Amino acid sequence: EIVLTQSPATLSLSPGEKATLSCRASQSVHSYLAWFQQKPGQAPRLLIYDSSNRVTGIPARFSGSGSGTDFTLTISSLEPEDFAVYYCQQRYSWPPATFGQGTRLEIK
Amino acid sequence: EVQLLESGGNLVQPGGSLRLSCAASGFTFSNSDMSWVRQAPGKGLEWVSGISGSGDSTYYADSVKGRFTISRDNSKNTLYLQLNSLRVEDTAVYYCANTAAGAFDYWGQGTLVIVSS
Repeated sequence: EIVLTQSPATLSLSPGEKATLSCRASQSVHSYLAWFQQKPGQAPRLLIYDSSNRVTGIPARFSGSGSGTDFTLTISSLEPEDFAVYYCQQRYSWPPATFGQGTRLEIK
Repeated sequence: EVQLLESGGNLVQPGGSLRLSCAASGFTFSNSDMSWVRQAPGKGLEWVSGISGSGDSTYYADSVKGRFTISRDNSKNTLYLQLNSLRVEDTAVYYCANTAAGAFDYWGQGTLVIVSS
């Protein structure tokens, strides 16, 4: 099973700052990596699929990059509504799909 | 508009059973692979099970294999998850998700299963 490790576990930043979230895979997943945002009491929402493709309706401040084992989600300038938990997920070895343990983005 | 609506979650004793349902609308259900993903309280996301659009192929996480059964009724646009031999560690919100080759693009709001004596 492919293990995804996200870092940092918690990221404390202020609105307007840039956020950089990392996801590392235990073996190559090529570009088959997605990013989700989850707010309290809500279902996860797909932001980015296949490493760098933004879902329709997701603001341009969200971008994804990487391939192989190292991936990054960047939020260029944080808005108040961006503070949430973010998960990466790989589909290269589907099934199963595996998720990272999450990064909590909190207001500093 | 794609909508997924889960139901069936409840409080159940260890060793008990439940059946979860997920009613789908807004897309061609029979053409779509579907999955169940769960989230224990305060924890991360765990993929549980998946099924092909026709229902011919099913997949399970090792943690639920032999205890949970995924199925679908394409005439009713409904996905199911039968949970048997429930354990305390199965306590979670269970989400259904539209699955395109392992990509979860639409999610329901979830249904809560509590396993406790």
